[in-house]
Amino acid sequence: EPEVTQTPSHQVTQMGQEVILRCVPISNHLYFYWYRQILGQKVEFLVSFYNNEISEKSEIFDDQFSVERPDGSNFTLKIRSTKLEDSAMYFCASTPPSGNTIYFGEGSWLTVV
Amino acid sequence: AQSVTQLDSQVPVFEEAPVELRCNYSSSVSVYLFWYVQYPNQGLQLLLKYLSGSTLVESINGFEAEFNKSQTSFHLRKPSVHISDTAEYFCAVMAFSGGYNKLIFGAGTRLAVHP
Repeated sequence: EPEVTQTPSHQVTQMGQEVILRCVPISNHLYFYWYRQILGQKVEFLVSFYNNEISEKSEIFDDQFSVERPDGSNFTLKIRSTKLEDSAMYFCASTPPSGNTIYFGEGSWLTVV
Repeated sequence: AQSVTQLDSQVPVFEEAPVELRCNYSSSVSVYLFWYVQYPNQGLQLLLKYLSGSTLVESINGFEAEFNKSQTSFHLRKPSVHISDTAEYFCAVMAFSGGYNKLIFGAGTRLAVHP
């Protein structure tokens, strides 16, 4: 069964460093998302992406964050200058053309020290 | 705007006992409803979903949920739990927004099954 894949599974970075989290959505899906889950808290929407542009972003998704689909398969989340409070599990997700179910990857654990 | 309330942050239960995890939502438009499960140190897995049709939906591992529009609820139930059901369970709502949809999650319920 096709699945959303994410790399890396875990990354430790120093505060102020740039981080890029990578995702390969399911191949025929059209809508892409990033969600975040701080340890012990709820899963929060960050951003949605369709037709090579951001459809919607949350208050969390400030100027430090950016997303890109650099080629036909990858979907990346970049955090320009990481802060301690960026430590979280980041989930990539995608939706088929029907749009009625969102499929999540295994997540990328980001630890900022 | 949509919101989801999971009334119980933790539910301890003994193996083979029944369990109900409660979920209520609010929305001014029609919604789709989902339960996702997160096993320890793993990602989010879709457990079951309600899109339309029968209000009772089932998963392959014995869970079921019933959509109740009048009570705006989508409670998750299992008649007999196993140790392996220990996980975090998230209820989520999706409002169709004309072209793309995003999920709004509840805070989660930690189900702890004890022998």
